[in-house]
Amino acid sequence: KNQVEQSPQSLIILEGKNCTLQCNYTVSPFSNLRWYKQDTGRGPVSLTIMTFSENTKSNGRYTATLDADTKQSSLHITASQLSDSASYICVVSAYVGGSQGNLIFGKGTKLSVKP
Amino acid sequence: GAGVSQSPSNKVTEKGKDVELRCDPISGHTALYWYRQSLGQGLEFLIYFQGNSAPDKSGLPSDRFSAERTGGSVSTLTIQRTQQEDSAVYLCASSLRRDRGGAETQYFGPGTRLLVL
Repeated sequence: KNQVEQSPQSLIILEGKNCTLQCNYTVSPFSNLRWYKQDTGRGPVSLTIMTFSENTKSNGRYTATLDADTKQSSLHITASQLSDSASYICVVSAYVGGSQGNLIFGKGTKLSVKP
Repeated sequence: GAGVSQSPSNKVTEKGKDVELRCDPISGHTALYWYRQSLGQGLEFLIYFQGNSAPDKSGLPSDRFSAERTGGSVSTLTIQRTQQEDSAVYLCASSLRRDRGGAETQYFGPGTRLLVL
């Protein structure tokens, strides 16, 4: 069964600190992995996307890694800011015939950055 | 240009009533998606449109749920005879096209928060 598991479920850090969010998946055949940021009351916004051949991708203070062998990804946030407080969702795509439903969403990690 | 917009932003209804949720995708985007996000749960795929047709309705939870898209643009999601378990945030997303590998970027709207009393 295709699944995406994220940890931790929630995380509280102090402003300026770094943190790492984890994503483990059992999705086959794998196409790509994306991290989304979802602010409270808003829709998700894509941060990074990685295909099978990529093992790291950065977007400003966000760096995502992918280990396709162990089926794990991480999102590292450097020098956190209050505006980083949000839910971070890991989404894995599988190649599926002609039908949609090939996006498997994790439940997200809720990050709170405190001053 | 404008992003994906959804209306209403919030909807409170009584059990048994019908509701209509609207999505205006980004202009020129041919693919449109509806998702449901329940409290503490991940996004749940409902239905996908390519143009005006819906090749994949597999995510609709029951026959009380239906959706249509007209003119390759605006879409409405209709929930008939609402139940309390329908309470959730309903998110719409659009993308320029639909890629089988899921590599296309989906742009999400702010969602409609539905509460069924």
